[in-house]
Amino acid sequence: GAVVSQHPSWVICKSGTSVKIECRSLDFQATTMFWYRQFPKQSLMLMATSNEGSKATYEQGVEKDKFLINHASLTLSTLTVTSAHPEDSSFYICSAHSGTSSHEQFFGPGTRLTVL
Amino acid sequence: GNSVTQMEGPVTLSEEAFLTINCTYTATGYPSLFWYVQYPGEGLQLLLKATKADDKGSNKGFEATYRKETTSFHLEKGSVQVSDSAVYFCALRTGNAGNMLTFGGGTRLMVKP
Repeated sequence: GAVVSQHPSWVICKSGTSVKIECRSLDFQATTMFWYRQFPKQSLMLMATSNEGSKATYEQGVEKDKFLINHASLTLSTLTVTSAHPEDSSFYICSAHSGTSSHEQFFGPGTRLTVL
Repeated sequence: GNSVTQMEGPVTLSEEAFLTINCTYTATGYPSLFWYVQYPGEGLQLLLKATKADDKGSNKGFEATYRKETTSFHLEKGSVQVSDSAVYFCALRTGNAGNMLTFGGGTRLMVKP
C-alpha cells in the first residue's frame, strides 16, 4: 500500500514555542490530507481537511490561528502548532488520500507532541 | 449526523480465544464501513472494509459483515494471537462527507499467552 511519513515522530518543546509537523506521501500524490488529534486512550478527532493549493477546512472548535496547516504540494502538508501550551500535548496523526476511486486514506505513524 | 459506537475496552483474551468487537453506526446516506488497527506506537492501518450491505470484509483472519438491518459491523476472529494486541477502530464514510472518516472510540485488545 501507499506510504505516508511524518516528521518528527516525537517532539518535546517549551511552552510558548511553535512546532512544525510534516506529513509526506512517499509514493503517491495526495490531493487531500487530513490532520487528526488523538488523546490518550481515545479516538481520533478530525482537526482539518487540507487540499493542495487551497486553504484548509477546519472542524468546529479547532482554532485555525493556532493550528496552521499548509498543503503546498501534492506530497507535503505541514501542521504548525503556534505558541504551544501543555494542553496541546497530544498525538497528531495525518492521513492522505490520492483522489482515486478507492477513496482509501493512508495514515502516517503519528507525531507525539509534549509541551513542558 | 454520522456516528460510530464501539464496545468499550479493554478486551482481554487468552491466546486462541474467539474475538468479537461490536460496532454500530448511524449515518445519513449509504456508508462504507471500515476497521482500522493501531499497534503500539504506530499509526492506523486499514484492516478491512465493506462498501455495501451484506458485504463481508476479511483480512488476516479477521472478518466483519455489513449488516444494514441492524446498522452493525462487528469485528470477529476465530483464534486470536498475542500479536493481535492493539487498538481497533470502527469507522464509516458517506458519500456526502467527501473522504472524511468518522471514527468510533476505539477498543483496546490485549491477548495473553
